Amino acid sequence: DAKTTQPNSMESNEEEPVHLPCNHSTISGTDYIHWYRQLPSQGPEYVIHGLTSNVNNRMASLAIAEDRKSSTLILHRATLRDAAVYYCILRSAYSGAGSYQLTFGKGTKLSVIP
Amino acid sequence: GAGVSQSPRYKVAKRGQDVALRCDPISGHVSLFWYQQALGQGPEFLTYFQNEAQLDKSGLPSDRFFAERPEGSVSTLKIQRTQQEDSAVYLCASSFRTVNSYEQYFGPGTRLTVT
Repeated sequence: DAKTTQPNSMESNEEEPVHLPCNHSTISGTDYIHWYRQLPSQGPEYVIHGLTSNVNNRMASLAIAEDRKSSTLILHRATLRDAAVYYCILRSAYSGAGSYQLTFGKGTKLSVIP
Repeated sequence: GAGVSQSPRYKVAKRGQDVALRCDPISGHVSLFWYQQALGQGPEFLTYFQNEAQLDKSGLPSDRFFAERPEGSVSTLKIQRTQQEDSAVYLCASSFRTVNSYEQYFGPGTRLTVT
């Protein structure tokens, strides 16, 4: 899987929007962009994923740059429960040896200030 | 519905002991993964099962690590002759399909401490 780059940490005020950036300049045309988050003392949980178009779900929005070399996870109103480590992960669309697993980096630790 | 469950949640082992960690995936999920997460790091892949077949074990750090999923549901990760460097959280994840667009569902993990 291609490499992603994220800031180590970010802070947000409660009830404010949060934009978490991810750079993936070596992304291939068949790589999906996935986001997972890990709350303290829990396993990671899926947040959202996309290929080319922006995506929305009940948890967040994913904005993908036109050249696909970067993306942004958007939390529309941060709550204290959103404090977690957020991971941006690229996954090949082709299943096969070495492609099934998620390759995590260090992610971005989001702190939410009340 | 029930999510992925793991047991025990915490395990303390003396160096040299064998341990067995259990994972109950979501019913009907074909794919099952084991990951190891050291303190302050992201999870790292250990091994992958598709039903009962272990298709990828490239992430297992040594031959002391062994995983099985004999009936294509419950999986066990066994570590023989534990060492201090094995101390970590061991995470299990399952996925409905083998296609990469499907999300993985993670259990809460087993925190292993080797003393």
